[in-house]
Amino acid sequence: DAGITQSPRYKITETGRQVTLMCHQTWSHSYMFWYRQDLGHGLRLIYYSAAADITDKGEVPDGYVVSRSKTENFPLTLESATRSQTSVYFCASSESLGRYATNEKLFFGSGTQLSVL
Amino acid sequence: DAKTTQPPSMDCAEGRAANLPCNHSTISGNEYVYWYRQIHSQGPQYIIHGLKNNETNEMASLIITEDRKSSTLILPHATLRDTAVYYCIVRPYNQGGKLIFGQGTELSVKP
Repeated sequence: DAGITQSPRYKITETGRQVTLMCHQTWSHSYMFWYRQDLGHGLRLIYYSAAADITDKGEVPDGYVVSRSKTENFPLTLESATRSQTSVYFCASSESLGRYATNEKLFFGSGTQLSVL
Repeated sequence: DAKTTQPPSMDCAEGRAANLPCNHSTISGNEYVYWYRQIHSQGPQYIIHGLKNNETNEMASLIITEDRKSSTLILPHATLRDTAVYYCIVRPYNQGGKLIFGQGTELSVKP
C-alpha cells in the first residue's frame, strides 16, 4: 500500500534558489494536485493535472512550475524561492475527477515542510 | 472562495456524538458535499460525501437538509484520535478537478 509519497519531508533553502518538491503515486490515478497550507489561509490549490502532459492553474500558481511527463509523478518547482513560499506543501491524487464527475475522493501525501530563509 | 461556512472550533466529550454543522446556502443542484479531516501535521483524509440523501460509512454519517442548504457530519462515538480540523467542501460543478478548502472546524475531543 505505497499510495502517494512526497519527498523530501523537510527542506530548508535560501531565497533565490530553485527547489523541486517530488510527488509520486502508485495507483495510476489520472488527477494530481498541489496544495499549500499556511496559518490563516488553510489549504490553497496551486496547480493540478488531469493527465500526463495536461496541467492547469489553481488559486495561487504564481512563482511555481509543474510538469507531468508520467502519470505517476507530479513535481512542483519553485524557480526562484521567496520567503513567502515558506509553507507546508501537500500533493494529492484522485482516480477521476473529470469535468463532470462529482463523486470522487482525493488521497493526500504526508506533506513537505519548506522553509525559505 | 469556498462556498461553505463552518464554526471555527467545537469541543466534544469522548464517547459522545460529535455533530459538525456546515452551511452551503448557494449550493447548486448537482454539486456534492464532501467532508475531509486533517489531523495535526498530516495530509487531509477523506471522510464521506453526499448529494441529497443521508450517507453513512464506517467513519461517520452525513445528514443533508432537504433544501440542501446545510449539512451535518456526525461522528457517533468520538475518540481522542478524532481531534482534528474538519473541512466541509462543495465541489464546484463544471470546473474540472478542483476542491477548494475553507477554514474548517477545529474539533477538540476531551476526556
